[in-house]
This record gives sequence, C-alpha cells and structure tokens, in this order.
Amino acid sequence: DSGVTQTPKHLITATGQRVTLRCSPRSGDLSVYWYQQSLDQGLQFLIQYYNGEERAKGNILERFSAQQFPDLHSELNLSSLELGDSALYFCASSGGQGPLNEQFFGPGTRLTVL
Amino acid sequence: GQQVMQIPQYQHVQEGEDFTTYCNSSTTLSNIQWYKQRPGGHPVFLIQLVKSGEVKKQKRLTFQFGEAKKNSSLHITATQTTDVGTYFCAANTGNQFYFGTGTSLTVIP
Repeated sequence: DSGVTQTPKHLITATGQRVTLRCSPRSGDLSVYWYQQSLDQGLQFLIQYYNGEERAKGNILERFSAQQFPDLHSELNLSSLELGDSALYFCASSGGQGPLNEQFFGPGTRLTVL
Repeated sequence: GQQVMQIPQYQHVQEGEDFTTYCNSSTTLSNIQWYKQRPGGHPVFLIQLVKSGEVKKQKRLTFQFGEAKKNSSLHITATQTTDVGTYFCAANTGNQFYFGTGTSLTVIP
C-alpha cells in the first residue's frame, strides 16, 4: 500500500459525459501527479500540482482539467468524453516539487467510455 | 513525440536466465528513475540514478546510467517468477516527466 488513495476504482460512462476522478496523496506529500495509461500509449504524464499550484503540464487535453485543494487532495476532471479516453488513470504523490523525488502511485481508476 | 524509448517491448525468459531492458533518450537527462508494475498493479519506484556513469545494485538488479546521461539499463541476474511485470524508466527534462514504453517481462518456470 503506497498511501495514495484514488476513487472510484472503476468508472463506466458514455461518450459526451463528464467525470471526476479523486486522489488523496500520502500524508505530508505536497506534489500530486496525474498519469494516463492506455495499452497503445503507455504511461503518459498529464499534469503536476505542488501545494495547490500547477507546477508542470504534460500531454493533457483541453477537455481535461485538474486542481489541488487546500487539503492537498486533487481532482481530475474529464469532459466531453470520447471512446479513446478509456484508460487507467493514476495519481502519484511525492514530498517535493522537483524531478528528483520518488513518486508513490495510487491504485488507479479504470475509466471505460462506452 | 516520445522522448524516452525503451527496448525491448516484451521479453520472455526461462527462470534463472538474465534479463536486460534499455532506455534511450535523444536529449541529456537530469536523472532517471526505474519503476516496476506488476500485472494489475500500479508502478512502484525501484531506484533513481543522477550521476553520469552511475551504477547501483539492489540484490539481483543492477542499474546503470550512461556516461552521457542519455541512456540507462536495468539488468536482472537469474530471474525468478517474482520478477514478472513491466519495467519502466522515467526521465525528467525541464518540467516534463516521460515514462518509457516499458518492457514486459515474462518468466517461464
């Protein structure tokens, strides 16, 4: 158990819908990262937040947005869902903001778009 | 495009054989991390390499960072069935985090 929690575990929805994925980092960790893992794309970095502020942005679509709240939990919002958005979404946390920090991954949320 | 290439994509070995996965970048990396993901699981951090030419060992696992800091390798000696999983390298350039495509290791008992 990494100490990172993600809810829900599974999510099934239809195209065009909007969903919110939630992540609680390890106690004391200030950084939260979001990743998308699909079979053909591997593990893609989406976005990083550090202590409530956006720190780095990766291949995140405009239909996707994220935020980190004062209690440090984070939410990833996916809207106008398409079939291709079906994937495993991981959240990870680390103590610092820089790249030299070990990331602890949560169990993931499996999103299926029908 | 993909910043970090990893080969091979799949590797099947007989238990007891050695295994190596390679990670290559076209740009100089500040550091490289290795993660292992068991089937159905999430990535778990294994190690981080920072210095040029660095070599680190963890029991049967040996990690190397190239002199030019553009490539890295993970070598497992005498594989065991518990080594099954996908091994990813992860690199940072600027503020971007790039994971390699991963090498899926199957160990045949």
